[in-house]
Amino acid sequence: AQSVTQLGSHVSVSEGALVLLRCNYSSSVPPYLFWYVQYPNQGLQLLLKYTTGATLVKGINGFEAEFKKSETSFHLTKPSAHMSDAAEYFCAVGKGGSQGNLIFGKGTKLSVKP
Amino acid sequence: DAGVTQSPTHLIKTRGQHVTLRCSPISGHKSVSWYQQVLGQGPQFIFQYYEKEERGRGNFPDRFSARQFPNYSSELNVNALLLGDSALYLCASSLDLAGGPLQYFGAGTRLSVL
Repeated sequence: AQSVTQLGSHVSVSEGALVLLRCNYSSSVPPYLFWYVQYPNQGLQLLLKYTTGATLVKGINGFEAEFKKSETSFHLTKPSAHMSDAAEYFCAVGKGGSQGNLIFGKGTKLSVKP
Repeated sequence: DAGVTQSPTHLIKTRGQHVTLRCSPISGHKSVSWYQQVLGQGPQFIFQYYEKEERGRGNFPDRFSARQFPNYSSELNVNALLLGDSALYLCASSLDLAGGPLQYFGAGTRLSVL
């Protein structure tokens, strides 16, 4: 069975500081991995995805994530936080094919201090 | 191009009632999935439909049902509502099943059961 663990339900950083949101997964097959962002009272917006190929994935708004198979991790980073990055972030794993549903972590709420 | 659209945006029901939520996928997308997001948690998979057939079902009771229409839009039905059904219901669409579970989400329908 697949599962996702996001370490830290709440992360607070200062504006301009490094953002690091942690995600570990378990999967019996090569996983598809995703990060989504959710702003208050909105749906989920795709930040980036890993399917195959390059393990360092760049997404929107300056975010990137690195797939590390040996560590079963897919941590999300951004070099310099902006106030507009304050939101909830969800890591998700999927199998693809006929089993196309996503398994989500519980989310990490990012706060950015001025 | 229009994204995934869901209606209504908000809904208030009382226990025991029935509710129908609607979703229109991105034009050209043939697969629709439904997720339930309880406050403070990540989304949980309910159903996936592809070409009008159910392709996956999460761990939800039979009170939950869904269908997909020839134009690929979808309805989620919940009977005999319970207080615990209060949540944000998210619809996601994907092009097909071959390219992995890359899904695009709508803004959701917020259901409150009193």
